[in-house]
Amino acid sequence: LAKTTQPISMDSYEGQEVNITCSHNNIATNDYITWYQQFPSQGPRFIIQGYKTKVTNEVASLFIPADRKSSTLSLPRVSLSDTAVYYCLVGPHTGGFKTIFGAGTRLFVKA
Amino acid sequence: DAGVTQSPTHLIKTRGQQVTLRCSPKSGHDTVSWYQQALGQGPQFIFQYYEEEERQRGNFPDRFSGHQFPNYSSELNVNALLLGDSALYLCASSLDPGGRTDTQYFGPGTRLTVL
Repeated sequence: LAKTTQPISMDSYEGQEVNITCSHNNIATNDYITWYQQFPSQGPRFIIQGYKTKVTNEVASLFIPADRKSSTLSLPRVSLSDTAVYYCLVGPHTGGFKTIFGAGTRLFVKA
Repeated sequence: DAGVTQSPTHLIKTRGQQVTLRCSPKSGHDTVSWYQQALGQGPQFIFQYYEEEERQRGNFPDRFSGHQFPNYSSELNVNALLLGDSALYLCASSLDPGGRTDTQYFGPGTRLTVL
């Protein structure tokens, strides 16, 4: 089962770009990389998902190198409301026992 | 487009009791997964239902059981509650692969407190 390693916490200031890197050395061929955002006492909110190269949507970008052993979530110009826990998941895109949540990265955005 | 909904929002039970949590998947989704999230930790996979059957199961005891109905909604049942079962219970829905690309979407969760 693919496990992930992320920084435990990060601090940033409003308006800055934040990059959170996740390591997943034993990612399987069929695994996708998915990032979720979670606020206290709420369910995780889907941010972005990718398989290789670069994926961009209205809220974030996801960079995946050719070997797929790591990935970087990029949040452009963060605001105070982006303070949350960010989880990197590796596994089937539909979830299941092969999708393991780690402890996540606690991002704290300061004014 | 309705997202994943869960009920109740909060629940307080005592040790030894039984509890049932409910989940309605996102419109168009047919697969439901349940997760347990203890305070300060990431969610842990309990089981996944598809076509009214348990398709996958995580490392949880038989006290945890579930059901999926023909309309794809699902229930999570926990018997003989322990203090350690206190957690946020999350439901996530997705569309069974079948060659299509989709992801799982989570509901707001049910906060269970066992006293």
